[in-house]
Amino acid sequence: DAKTTQPTSMDCAEGRAANLPCNHSTISGNEYVYWYRQIHSQGPQYIIHGLKNNETNEMASLIITEDRKSSTLILPHATLRDTAVYYCIVRSRDKIIFGKGTRLHILP
Amino acid sequence: DTAVSQTPKYLVTQMGNDKSIKCEQNLGHDTMYWYKQDSKKFLKIMFSYNNKELIINETVPNRFSPKSPDKAHLNLHINSLELGDSAVYFCASSQSPRMNTGELFFGEGSRLTVL
Repeated sequence: DAKTTQPTSMDCAEGRAANLPCNHSTISGNEYVYWYRQIHSQGPQYIIHGLKNNETNEMASLIITEDRKSSTLILPHATLRDTAVYYCIVRSRDKIIFGKGTRLHILP
Repeated sequence: DTAVSQTPKYLVTQMGNDKSIKCEQNLGHDTMYWYKQDSKKFLKIMFSYNNKELIINETVPNRFSPKSPDKAHLNLHINSLELGDSAVYFCASSQSPRMNTGELFFGEGSRLTVL
């Protein structure tokens, strides 16, 4: 079963930062937080992952709280092409289990 | 070149038939997966193979039989298809799962419709 909780849906204006929250209060010390997204009719796409420190790449930033019980994915300048379902995942040793994700709508 | 490729992309068939979906990855990864995404859009892991060895087998009917001829290929064969098997099936690959890091690379999916 998924070990994360995310809002069902969110809206964000085009050009603004999209902040997607995720709760993972039962995360273990050696489990990573991963984010994927799925654009309509496509396969899921890796975005970013982290353990304790905040991470940034060309797609997004990941902010993990000090107690590691929650995290936030930040898309700094959302575009219409960022409309997708975003999955926050706590990775156990052998498998990645997807939850229900957050459906992000980017509004023009 | 496509990293993870699945064929066919679309498959429409009658109940009771047997069908296969093929998957190939050219990333040199050790591990491959099959996920099922149903009409409610939940993505559920079905199987995982590491170097041709089955390492994950979730509660999947034994009508589903994965086959891995080599570590670059993981095919999914489904016997006696049922209406509830209609879904999009995604293949994925990653480096060895025996560690907590490593992203999954997904194929574009195979949409199976059982009539």
